Amino acid sequence: GESVGLHLPTLSVQEGDNSIINCAYSNSASDYFIWYKQESGKGPQFIIDIRSNMDKRQGQRVTVLLNKTVKHLSLQIAATQPGDSAVYFCAETNLGGTSYGKLTFGQGTILTVHP
Amino acid sequence: GAGVSQSPRYKVAKRGQDVALRCDPISGHVSLFWYQQALGQGPEFLTYFQNEAQLDKSGLPSDRFFAERPEGSVSTLKIQRTQQEDSAVYLCASSFDPRSPLHFGNGTRLTVT
Repeated sequence: GESVGLHLPTLSVQEGDNSIINCAYSNSASDYFIWYKQESGKGPQFIIDIRSNMDKRQGQRVTVLLNKTVKHLSLQIAATQPGDSAVYFCAETNLGGTSYGKLTFGQGTILTVHP
Repeated sequence: GAGVSQSPRYKVAKRGQDVALRCDPISGHVSLFWYQQALGQGPEFLTYFQNEAQLDKSGLPSDRFFAERPEGSVSTLKIQRTQQEDSAVYLCASSFDPRSPLHFGNGTRLTVT
């Protein structure tokens, strides 16, 4: 498959471990944040989102934490599986006023899960 | 149901050629975005449509880039006189409304030789 992210941060874990992927966002006016998973040769796939009035949100095997004070976002994946191997991007936007939700993506992190 | 569909999947163009990339959004989705993704980078915004209206084209790199969505459904991104720096994956995304999560297509990989 294609080689994506030659210079991206990487995280390597064993199957069954918990994974934590971090992201620093740039715009203090952002009020909506999304984590996307991108597999080789595919478009970004929505994982979970969180609005700025929340600090934590849980989904199936995933949790997103938001720290607005230091503009930091994290994605926790429980019991990581080989199928979780991909590049993970955080994205931010502002949904207020006349904004239409244009996303600004972070750098991305390569997650590799070893069986 | 069907997701966002993009064609062609791959496009090789010689420098100076014009290319047209097509996006079929999810039926009924009002918002449509085009993003450009260089190798090893996150997607970067190019342009946004709400129905047939192009409300933001601030991300288009030059006047060689042009996008349209004449009937508020299918969209085409056209690049004239392609240059090597245009080589990238071009992603289309749509959403039901401006506050709903974006659904991305698998992109068109453009290689300019």
